Amino acid sequence: AQSVAQPEDQVNVAEGNPLTVKCTYSVSGNPYLFWYVQYPNRGLQFLLKYITGDNLVKGSYGFEAEFNKSQTSFHLKKPSALVSDSALYFCAVRDPLYNDYKLSFGAGTTVTVRA
Amino acid sequence: GAGVSQSPSNKVTEKGKDVELRCDPISGHTALYWYRQSLGQGLEFLIYFQGNSAPDKSGLPSDRFSAERTGGSVSTLTIQRTQQEDSAVYLCASSPRAGGGHEQYFGPGTRLTVT
Repeated sequence: AQSVAQPEDQVNVAEGNPLTVKCTYSVSGNPYLFWYVQYPNRGLQFLLKYITGDNLVKGSYGFEAEFNKSQTSFHLKKPSALVSDSALYFCAVRDPLYNDYKLSFGAGTTVTVRA
Repeated sequence: GAGVSQSPSNKVTEKGKDVELRCDPISGHTALYWYRQSLGQGLEFLIYFQGNSAPDKSGLPSDRFSAERTGGSVSTLTIQRTQQEDSAVYLCASSPRAGGGHEQYFGPGTRLTVT
């Protein structure tokens, strides 16, 4: 089985401050991990992924995420948040040992960046 | 290049009517996925196509839901005898193929409202 949890429904930060969105996962093997962002009335946009290799992954719009196997986490980070980063963020996982395609998504975290 | 497109963007229908939702994946992508996004339910996997075949229909919530994909490209999701609980945003995604570390690319979604 595979699952992912986003423990925070909402994250509020001031513009220019660091932004962290938390994600923990559960899989039997080594995970494939993804972050997506959704702006109002839009589909999901891919931000970054971890498949293998370096634990620190860099993605679009200045976002990065760190894979931590011992803590089964894949937190999304941005050093300096912008008002335009306000959106709904989803973490997703796939266990490649057990399926080739089905992603399991977290419930989402709403990020609000105040000016 | 062109992304995943979906039509209509919004659909309001009366309870008991049938609806068809269309998805046009990215050209060359052989894998196609349908998800449902509703309040309180997050993102639910509905069905996956590889080429024209649908290896996994496990996420379809009832036999009122069906989907097909013709020519390995466009897909339609049909909901018969719609119910109010079918109200949601239906998202389509595609990827170059299943397996590997490919991310899924999402369309803007169709917002279905059943009155």
